[in-house]
Amino acid sequence: DARVTQTPRHKVTEMGQEVTMRCQPILGHNTVFWYRQTMMQGLELLAYFRNRAPLDDSGMPKDRFSAEMPDATLATLKIQPSEPRDSAVYFCASGKGQGQETQYFGPGTRLLVL
Amino acid sequence: AQKVTQAQTEISVVEKEDVTLDCVYETRDTTYYLFWYKQPPSGELVFLIRRNSFDEQNEISGRYSWNFQKSTSSFNFTITASQVVDSAVYFCALRMYSGGGADGLTFGKGTHLIIQP
Repeated sequence: DARVTQTPRHKVTEMGQEVTMRCQPILGHNTVFWYRQTMMQGLELLAYFRNRAPLDDSGMPKDRFSAEMPDATLATLKIQPSEPRDSAVYFCASGKGQGQETQYFGPGTRLLVL
Repeated sequence: AQKVTQAQTEISVVEKEDVTLDCVYETRDTTYYLFWYKQPPSGELVFLIRRNSFDEQNEISGRYSWNFQKSTSSFNFTITASQVVDSAVYFCALRMYSGGGADGLTFGKGTHLIIQP
């Protein structure tokens, strides 16, 4: 049963520390998305890649967030320096990159910045 | 810009009742896709259904059914004979067709469905 995997599942850190979240998309999927879920804002798109190239990161705070795909099996989302307002659940999703595709979500990384 | 509105923040029903979750969307595009996802208490997002803008046929899958009406820009979700396991937050989402492939989803705020035994 193919699934998107995310690590870590939970992360508690102190303000100012660097946080790295990792995502392994479903094998064969060439599109990867990062979303953030908070109580106030709900689910928001942060960035996405197709064939490892960034297509849109307009939803991401540019000064502290960065997203990369070092290879086809790994996507990373980094926050440096982290702030308490970054506390949220971060979801990765992947898809086949076709017009009718469905995005399948990972279990999320629950981040708490103290 | 696109927008998805789920006006019902929370719904509570007794088990075996039927329940409908409303979803209204806004878009200027003629080609788009609509989705429903379920988020159980465990937190993952589970895909339920995708509907294309050019296909207005309603769909039924077991106790679940979906009513897509372009005239009212609505994509409502009905659970028949609800069960406690249906308790979750349900999200409606919209995606444009960019021509080059997939774009990100625009989500509604979600409806928290509580099924009481």
